[in-house]
Amino acid sequence: DAGVTQSPTHLIKTRGQQVTLRCSPKSGHDTVSWYQQALGQGPQFIFQYYEEEERQRGNFPDRFSGHQFPNYSSELNVNALLLGDSALYLCASSPFYGLNYGYTFGSGTRLTVV
Amino acid sequence: SQELEQSPQSLIVQEGKNLTINCTSSKTLYGLYWYKQKYGEGLIFLMMLQKGGEEKSHEKITAKLDEKKQQSSLHITASQPSHAGIYLCGAFSNFGNEKLTFGTGTRLTIIP
Repeated sequence: DAGVTQSPTHLIKTRGQQVTLRCSPKSGHDTVSWYQQALGQGPQFIFQYYEEEERQRGNFPDRFSGHQFPNYSSELNVNALLLGDSALYLCASSPFYGLNYGYTFGSGTRLTVV
Repeated sequence: SQELEQSPQSLIVQEGKNLTINCTSSKTLYGLYWYKQKYGEGLIFLMMLQKGGEEKSHEKITAKLDEKKQQSSLHITASQPSHAGIYLCGAFSNFGNEKLTFGTGTRLTIIP
C-alpha cells in the first residue's frame, strides 16, 4: 500500500519564478494538508483541502495557493518566489477529520530558491 | 495561537541508555502526536494520544499525556542507533480544528 507520494523530491528555482509541487495521498485518504518546514524548525501549516476546497489556511500569503483534484491528489503553487521560500514542503493526508486518525506524511519536496 | 515547546532541543545519549523528551503546550491539548524525522526527510508517525493520562507503547518507545499539565513525554528505553533523528510533537489547538501545530523538535544523537 503506497503511502503519500510527493514530486519532485528536489527543486531549484530562481527568485521571482513560480513553482508547482504535487502530492498523491495515501489510498483511502481524502484530505490533504500542506506544510512548510524551514531548516531547524517544525513544520508550519499552509492549508488543507477536502472535497476540492480549501478548508483551512495558516498564516501564509496569497502567493501560496493550492488545488485538489477529484482523485484527491493535490498541488501546491507558489508565485513570485522569495529566497525565504526555500524549505522542505511536506504533504500530509488523512481520512476526513484527521484528529481521530492522525496524518500520514510524504517524504517532502526540497525547494531551493536562488 | 498555540505553541508547543520541546525540551531538550538536542540530546546526545550513549547507546543502551534511557532518555525522555518533553513537549509542553501553551493551550489545552486536543490530541497530541509524536513523529520522528530523519534529517531532511518526511515525518514518520509514532503515536497519537487523545485522553488525559493515556499512555501508549511501541517497541521501546512510550508516550504519555498529562492533560492537566498540558504536557506529553516520550521515553525511549535502551536506546539504539536506529532511534537517532528528530522527534517532533504536534497538536491541535481546538477541537475540530484540523491545523496541526508542531514543536521545533528534539534532535537525538546516539553514540556507541
